[in-house]
Amino acid sequence: GENVEQHPSTLSVQEGDSAVIKCTYSDSASNYFPWYKQELGKRPQLIIDIRSNVGEKKDQRIAVTLNKTAKHFSLHITETQPEDSAVYFCAASIPGKSTFGDGTTLTVKP
Amino acid sequence: DAGVIQSPRHEVTEMGQEVTLRCKPISGHNSLFWYRQTMMRGLELLIYFNNNVPIDDSGMPEDRFSAKMPNASFSTLKIQPSEPRDSAVYFCASSLAAPEDTQYFGPGTRLTVL
Repeated sequence: GENVEQHPSTLSVQEGDSAVIKCTYSDSASNYFPWYKQELGKRPQLIIDIRSNVGEKKDQRIAVTLNKTAKHFSLHITETQPEDSAVYFCAASIPGKSTFGDGTTLTVKP
Repeated sequence: DAGVIQSPRHEVTEMGQEVTLRCKPISGHNSLFWYRQTMMRGLELLIYFNNNVPIDDSGMPEDRFSAKMPNASFSTLKIQPSEPRDSAVYFCASSLAAPEDTQYFGPGTRLTVL
């Protein structure tokens, strides 16, 4: 089955710096790659996603890149703010199943 | 739309008791998922329904866990008998058609088994 590895498990940055979280997946049939943000005590919520026919997608300070050949995708957050502090999960989806990474705890220090 | 609704939000029970968690997906969504989240194991998919039919239950830990979806607007996850190691946050999520679509999570049920 699909295996998704997410790195790093924890990330601490200074406010205003950029943060990058990377995920690798194993199943070349995966075609949908969402990123979820989970604030403490709350539910995971989609922040951005990308499909296999696109290499990059951007939404304000957040961007996701996908390299299908290498089977990895990354989340980029620029100009980080304290409210970006949360756990971020990547996922890789094949028809019929989504597999989540183990999450990255991002701390943005003011 | 109210989003995915789960009840109860918190449940505290004693070992050996039966626990039933409930979920109402977003109207019009055809796929429903049950997840369990713990510090040790992260976010685990327990079971996935499509059009009320269980498609993948490979994540269900053992026979003590069972899930049903009697209609498009309601699902239950039952644990009988419950054990302390079942303590976790259980999320229900729904998507429009398939796992490849965006999943919308409910607020979760925090289960504590004493």
